[in-house]
Amino acid sequence: AQSVAQPEDQVNVAEGNPLTVKCTYSVSGNPYLFWYVQYPNRGLQFLLKYITGDNLVKGSYGFEAEFNKSQTSFHLKKPSALVSDSALYFCAVRDLDTGRRALTFGSGTRLQVQP
Amino acid sequence: DGGITQSPKYLFRKEGQNVTLSCEQNLNHDAMYWYRQDPGQGLRLIYYSQIVNDFQKGDIAEGYSVSREKKESFPLTVTSAQKNPTAFYLCASSGSGSPLHFGNGTRLTVT
Repeated sequence: AQSVAQPEDQVNVAEGNPLTVKCTYSVSGNPYLFWYVQYPNRGLQFLLKYITGDNLVKGSYGFEAEFNKSQTSFHLKKPSALVSDSALYFCAVRDLDTGRRALTFGSGTRLQVQP
Repeated sequence: DGGITQSPKYLFRKEGQNVTLSCEQNLNHDAMYWYRQDPGQGLRLIYYSQIVNDFQKGDIAEGYSVSREKKESFPLTVTSAQKNPTAFYLCASSGSGSPLHFGNGTRLTVT
């Protein structure tokens, strides 16, 4: 079975400061990892993904994520937060060694960026 | 523009009635998915379909049914057997090697 944990319900950061949103995962095979963002009453928007290669993945809107195999983590980062980054962020995983293409999502982390 | 259309945006039903949520995509994606979103619980997979005329149960399929008669369409029926149907329902699709692409959701309220 595959699972994702996002240990923080909410992260607060001041505008201009770096931000990190944490994610750990569990799969029996090789992970295919994603970050999505959701604005109120909308669907999820894709930010970035990791399948193989460089452990630091760059995505949309200046976000990046660091894959750490030994810690089974895939934390989302941004060097300088904007007020407009305030939203709900979801980490998701798929086990590449199964035929199932559906993603398993974490419970989400609300990011609040204060001006 | 290519995308996923979910309709309606808001839906209200009385307890005991079945209701069908629409999901249409023009992205030519093979796979389609239904997720349910509740506050504090993230997204949970209801059903998915990786090819026309085939679909599989997800983690919370009880009380729901789907069909996949056309590549573009994956309607979800919430039956009266679903104990807590009030939720935000999200449809998604994906092609080979592509991330999931989501619609804007349908908020269902059952009273």
